[in-house]
Amino acid sequence: DAGVIQSPRHEVTEMGQEVTLRCKPISGHDYLFWYRQTMMRGLELLIYFNNNVPIDDSGMPEDRFSAKMPNASFSTLKIQPSEPRDSAVYFCASSLRLGGGYTFGSGTRLTVV
Amino acid sequence: GESVGLHLPTLSVQEGDNSIINCAYSNSASDYFIWYKQESGKGPQFIIDIRSNMDKRQGQRVTVLLNKTVKHLSLQIAATQPGDSAVYFCAESRDKVIFGPGTSLSVIP
Repeated sequence: DAGVIQSPRHEVTEMGQEVTLRCKPISGHDYLFWYRQTMMRGLELLIYFNNNVPIDDSGMPEDRFSAKMPNASFSTLKIQPSEPRDSAVYFCASSLRLGGGYTFGSGTRLTVV
Repeated sequence: GESVGLHLPTLSVQEGDNSIINCAYSNSASDYFIWYKQESGKGPQFIIDIRSNMDKRQGQRVTVLLNKTVKHLSLQIAATQPGDSAVYFCAESRDKVIFGPGTSLSVIP
């Protein structure tokens, strides 16, 4: 298995633009998580899905953030409009269960200028 | 990937020595604990885990100790190697996994 695959690896965009981050989880994993990592706040859970259904989005910072999982092999995290404070590394992880065993992707480094 | 923050605790260890990384967790109801390693430019990687009904678990060169009385977790790395240089996160779980702030380990050759 190729692991959790995220794209793009790096994204630089101008303030106000829409940004879409993509994730392909490990086949057979029922849970998918989106995390954001910054120097100031560390690793924050934004949202997670179970069997493609969003279960907990309490970590999503604002309405500008949205996430979808149209099928078991693909998820997107969208920011519209983007702001400089959204600059961070965004990680996707997948797991067979909620409580642990997470496998992380390599992350997308987002820079909003 | 920038996982090291300006305010991260830092531990410097001589190559070959043992390392001990400590972590305080917050939720007394947490029943599962995990240590992750994050190297530069990569996502966190599972190292070892322990359930709340245990107080010690050993892996290859790593040992995790759990003290539920004081809500403390530690990771011991034996014979630390340059490849161990990374940021180490403890994580606790009751349902979701919540990560701690991380400790940066630097191994001096």
